[in-house]
Amino acid sequence: GAVVSQHPSWVICKSGTSVKIECRSLDFQATTMFWYRQFPKQSLMLMATSNEGSKATYEQGVEKDKFLINHASLTLSTLTVTSAHPEDSSFYICSASGSHTQYFGPGTRLTVL
Amino acid sequence: AQTVTQSQPEMSVQEAETVTLSCTYDTSESDYYLFWYKQPPSRQMILVIRQEAYKQQNATENRFSVNFQKAAKSFSLKISDSQLGDAAMYFCAYRLINDYKLSFGAGTTVTVRA
Repeated sequence: GAVVSQHPSWVICKSGTSVKIECRSLDFQATTMFWYRQFPKQSLMLMATSNEGSKATYEQGVEKDKFLINHASLTLSTLTVTSAHPEDSSFYICSASGSHTQYFGPGTRLTVL
Repeated sequence: AQTVTQSQPEMSVQEAETVTLSCTYDTSESDYYLFWYKQPPSRQMILVIRQEAYKQQNATENRFSVNFQKAAKSFSLKISDSQLGDAAMYFCAYRLINDYKLSFGAGTTVTVRA
């Protein structure tokens, strides 16, 4: 149980385009999901908290107009990187909350050319 | 804000031996959860162990056990009988009882020597 999926697992896009990443809790409902960014050999950096049916809460320094988050159902949250640039290249991880624990998706590697 | 400190960037252990990873945290709260997560080269975050602060008994999961010292705000992870598959980055994390947001440490990279 407590499986979280992410799609796509990797994506390459051109500078200026938008990319959508999906995060799904497969066998449980999650009112709260989180989006993280991780650079190589570093810890996870929380970007935003996604609550079902309401606006996401962004961490300080994260551009909400650049990283659009939608949590339309109890099992799906999406992160859209708008007008992506090479500096947005990174590993993005989502997590979903259940049973007092956060369960993590496998991550999405984004490369912006 | 809560801070989590992992003072060991890297640790190396011989296969079948034991290694202990340290973690300290700073909080003024009395009720919270502590976690150890493992991130292998696949980069999938895997829950290793969870400890509720109100429980005095240290959590264990097979070869993984913790030494939770609430007064000292210390939460170390012991890996016994280390296996090659234990090689990974290990993160200590903290959260309040009523808030799912996690605070992570910087991580410790564990290498297992055959």
